[in-house]
Amino acid sequence: DGGITQSPKYLFRKEGQNVTLSCEQNLNHDAMYWYRQDPGQGLRLIYYSQIVNDFQKGDIAEGYSVSREKKESFPLTVTSAQKNPTAFYLCASSIFLQDNQPQHFGDGTRLSIL
Amino acid sequence: SQQGEEDPQALSIQEGENATMNCSYKTSINNLQWYRQNSGRGLVHLILIRSNEREKHSGRLRVTLDTSKKSSSLLITASRAADTASYFCATIGARGSTLGRLYFGRGTQLTVWP
Repeated sequence: DGGITQSPKYLFRKEGQNVTLSCEQNLNHDAMYWYRQDPGQGLRLIYYSQIVNDFQKGDIAEGYSVSREKKESFPLTVTSAQKNPTAFYLCASSIFLQDNQPQHFGDGTRLSIL
Repeated sequence: SQQGEEDPQALSIQEGENATMNCSYKTSINNLQWYRQNSGRGLVHLILIRSNEREKHSGRLRVTLDTSKKSSSLLITASRAADTASYFCATIGARGSTLGRLYFGRGTQLTVWP
């Protein structure tokens, strides 16, 4: 079955530590996205990529970094500069970056601070 | 802000009743999408309605769009306990740096009691 796989499902970060969240898709989609969701809130865009080796900052990119070396993979690193990282992180993809494309989501990674 | 805003924030109904959720937005749009999120899971795309459409159906879902009022509604008919979830509307950027980006509201939490 085609879809988006996020791992791990739960992740704990210590002070000063960088952690990387994995996102893999086998839908052959060009565009991929990372969102952050806080309790009772909508999703906010962190980074997005419309093609391999290209990515753009979203609305809340500070304290995060990404790479897009392969079409299938778009890992997100939460750096120690992100002072409030506790949230639910969602990865999504779409066929390409366009205004009429639905996005397909993974089941998220819940990040907490130790 | 481009994000949509859903109303009400929470809705509680009995099985068999209809559920109506509303979404208002501020900017001109080409399309609007509705998504569903079960607790602790990713979002699932429900329906996309284009700016030149006034109404769209998909199974028990009916979506309307009024571009003059910058509002949309999602109607779920004959609701079931399995419809319990959060429902989000999302506007989509149509040009420039906003192209393809989804802007989410805070969602409506729907609870359907058996």
